[in-house]
Amino acid sequence: ILNVEQSPQSLHVQEGDSTNFTCSFPSSNFYALHWYRWETAKSPEALFVMTLNGDEKKKGRISATLNTKEGYSYLYIKGSQPEDSATYLCGPSKGFKTIFGAGTRLFVKA
Amino acid sequence: GAVVSQHPSRVICKSGTSVKIECRSLDFQATTMFWYRQFPKQSLMLMATSNEGSKATYEQGVEKDKFLINHASLTLSTLTVTSAHPEDSSFYICSARARLAADTQYFGPGTRLTVL
Repeated sequence: ILNVEQSPQSLHVQEGDSTNFTCSFPSSNFYALHWYRWETAKSPEALFVMTLNGDEKKKGRISATLNTKEGYSYLYIKGSQPEDSATYLCGPSKGFKTIFGAGTRLFVKA
Repeated sequence: GAVVSQHPSRVICKSGTSVKIECRSLDFQATTMFWYRQFPKQSLMLMATSNEGSKATYEQGVEKDKFLINHASLTLSTLTVTSAHPEDSSFYICSARARLAADTQYFGPGTRLTVL
């Protein structure tokens, strides 16, 4: 069973601040790591999928890194905007399934 | 990105009735579909994984006779909550994946079930 931990649980930042979250997971039998953004009343939206140790992905102001040896991934948001307010979920895949962490709830104040 | 629909978006039913929720991948063939449940202020809890044409694999603690899952085609999976009770009230959300574990899962918008 995968035990996925995300921190912090919630985060309040001002518009323009840069921020980052952590996703920790067991490093053994790892296959892929997914990040999703989930806005209220919408479907979770895929941000990144990473598989290789040292992988870095970027999408606009959002980027992510992956360390499979130590079992963690960071998600960075540069210059946060109110529209970035959402819950950010990470989920490592093992076999057929993906197990999600509890998420980090980001609030960006204008 | 790919689109996954889920129907109904909201359902209210009486205790003892059964409720069926549909999950459809609209523009791709989903080899695997997942059903999650979200409790208030908690994350998505994986209930079961279903592969087209085979029996669903349920997570520990999830009653398969209570939550019937059918994945009859590459674009449709259904979750039936049988003899629903108030404790089954929750947010249920499905996702679909094309092929590999590294493939992106595409989520439906979810179904809010309220059992009176």
